[in-house]
Amino acid sequence: GQNIDQPTEMTATEGAIVQINCTYQTSGFNGLFWYQQHAGEAPTFLSYNVLDGLEEKGRFSSFLSRSKGYSYLLLKELQMKDSASYLCAVRTGANNLFFGTGTRLTVIP
Amino acid sequence: DTEVTQTPKHLVMGMTNKKSLKCEQHMGHRAMYWYKQKAKKPPELMFVYSYEKLSINESVPSRFSPECPNSSLLNLHLHALQPEDSALYLCASSQEGTEANYGYTFGSGTRLTVV
Repeated sequence: GQNIDQPTEMTATEGAIVQINCTYQTSGFNGLFWYQQHAGEAPTFLSYNVLDGLEEKGRFSSFLSRSKGYSYLLLKELQMKDSASYLCAVRTGANNLFFGTGTRLTVIP
Repeated sequence: DTEVTQTPKHLVMGMTNKKSLKCEQHMGHRAMYWYKQKAKKPPELMFVYSYEKLSINESVPSRFSPECPNSSLLNLHLHALQPEDSALYLCASSQEGTEANYGYTFGSGTRLTVV
C-alpha cells in the first residue's frame, strides 16, 4: 500500500505564511504533486517536484527531499480565498497517482 | 480546449439500476483515470487507462465497469451499487507517463447518490 500523510487541519491568518507538510512511503516514486481543492470542486494543479529542492511559483513554493520521503507546500501572503483542502499526491509509476490524506486550511482575518 | 468534461453532474440511482458516467477530453492526453472521493477524504484511484487499454484496476468491485471507447472518451458503467458507493466520482487525464510534469487535469465530477 501507499502511505502519504499530511496534517488534517491547519489555521492561519490572512497575510501570513503557512507550511503544509507531507511525508510518504510508497512503492516507487516518479514525482510529487500538490493540488488545491475547494469544497465541492475538482482538484486543481499547483506544483510538481521530481528532483530534490525548491520549486517556486508566485505565492506558492514546494520542496522535496526524496531521501527523507518529505515534501512541503509553502503559501505566502495568505488570502481568504486560499481556504481550501491541499492534497499531496505521489506518482509511483508511469501513471499511478495516489493522494495523501489532505490538509484543510482555514484562513482567518 | 483545456478541460475534462464529466456528465452528468448529479445522479441519483437505485440499487437495482444500471447507469453510466461519462468523461471527455480533447487535449490529446493518452492516459485517463477514474477516482472516487468521499466527503472530506482525498480522491482514491480506481482505474487507469493508458492508450485506451486498462492498465490499473485498484481492486475495485465488479459492480464498477470502466470502458474507454477511444482516446477522448472514458465511461464508468454502474450496476447493482450499494449506498456506501455514494460519492463524488472524478475523471482525470494526463499526458502519458513521465511527460505528465504539469499535472493531471480533473473534471468537476459526478456526485452520485445511491438510494
